[in-house]
Amino acid sequence: NAGVTQTPKFQVLKTGQSMTLQCAQDMNHEYMSWYRQDPGMGLRLIHYSVGAGITDQGEVPNGYNVSRSTTEDFPLRLLSAAPSQTSVYFCASTRATEQSSYNSPLHFGNGTRLTVT
Amino acid sequence: AQSVSQHNHHVILSEAASLELGCNYSYGGTVNLFWYVQYPGQHLQLLLKYFSGDPLVKGIKGFEAEFIKSKFSFNLRKPSVQWSDTAEYFCAVNARSGGYNKLIFGAGTRLAVHP
Repeated sequence: NAGVTQTPKFQVLKTGQSMTLQCAQDMNHEYMSWYRQDPGMGLRLIHYSVGAGITDQGEVPNGYNVSRSTTEDFPLRLLSAAPSQTSVYFCASTRATEQSSYNSPLHFGNGTRLTVT
Repeated sequence: AQSVSQHNHHVILSEAASLELGCNYSYGGTVNLFWYVQYPGQHLQLLLKYFSGDPLVKGIKGFEAEFIKSKFSFNLRKPSVQWSDTAEYFCAVNARSGGYNKLIFGAGTRLAVHP
């Protein structure tokens, strides 16, 4: 059982480049989300999705786009990378029994370490 | 806006010492509370959770946490730490607002246990 799979594990970008961080889960989870982890700031929510075709912004959405065309995949796009986006990115998913009640714990991927120079 | 505060950013203990990590949140509505642990080089894993019922919850590896609603707190405890408990610990709150939930994390507490 693969769980939550993130690719790539490491990435170095130059300022202005674009790229997509991939996230896939095989647990049929409705809820998927992207967090960034920075020292001393914990994890901050970037975007989340409660199902295919539905996405919403989190705490720090600027500079990032997402889409959810299938239940399994939730890619995160950086259209024009900036040094401030240097971080470790985690994708996470969870089962949602109903839209207004998410009391299941999150399952995290192994993270993508992104450096923007 | 809801927030989560973890009082200690770094904690250093010797093996067998007792541990208590503070967590306070600001939100007046119904919440679910979590503690996650991140061992060096690994992703976050669930340590324990509180949804309802007994405010004293027990998790894996001998950890427990107590939800005190009047203090908006959810402190993590362990009577006797081990070297293998060296990790970063995150408190998280899942509040229900606007029909969709967002899990908000604290800044984390880095625990170092010396043998």
